[in-house]
Amino acid sequence: ELKVEQNPLFLSMQEGKNYTIYCNYSTTSDRLYWYRQDPGKSLESLFVLLSNGAVKQEGRLMASLDTKARLSTLHITAAVHDLSATYFCAVARAKLTFGTGTRLTIIP
Amino acid sequence: DGGITQSPKYLFRKEGQNVTLSCEQNLNHDAMYWYRQDPGQGLRLIYYSQIVNDFQKGDIAEGYSVSREKKESFPLTVTSAQKNPTAFYLCASREVMIPTVDGYTFGSGTRLTVV
Repeated sequence: ELKVEQNPLFLSMQEGKNYTIYCNYSTTSDRLYWYRQDPGKSLESLFVLLSNGAVKQEGRLMASLDTKARLSTLHITAAVHDLSATYFCAVARAKLTFGTGTRLTIIP
Repeated sequence: DGGITQSPKYLFRKEGQNVTLSCEQNLNHDAMYWYRQDPGQGLRLIYYSQIVNDFQKGDIAEGYSVSREKKESFPLTVTSAQKNPTAFYLCASREVMIPTVDGYTFGSGTRLTVV
């Protein structure tokens, strides 16, 4: 059974700082997704990573994938308040399995 | 514009009552999915369907039922057997035969509350 673990579960960081969210998964996968969710809202797709060594960047967010280590990271650079949200990774095989999420709070 | 429509946005259920959540997509996607999200938790798969007239149980199917009579529609019924149905329900779809980088498209969700 595929298991997806994220850490940390909660993250409070000051504006302007850098931090990384980690996503570990237990078996090989077809692709890995990162999503953002604002309170009470649906999921917003951020990145999809298809192959080992894949790196994608959008604004202050950068995602990477190491399929050998079964690890993906979401790096936040110079955080701003607008990035406050819950971030999920999800791993796809026959179905999409989600991590538990990381609730990110950016403090001014 | 193509997308997924979930209705209603908010739904209240009395004890012992069955309720049905609607999910409609006009993306011509083959696969459709239902997820449940509890406060502070990730999404868990309830049911999924990769083709019309076929569906499979996900990780938490007990107390739920689905149908897939049309490609564009995948309604979820929360039965009285589901003892703790209060949650946020998300529907998603995906093109299976011609996978795209965009992957899954999610609806806006239905918040179900037992009263």
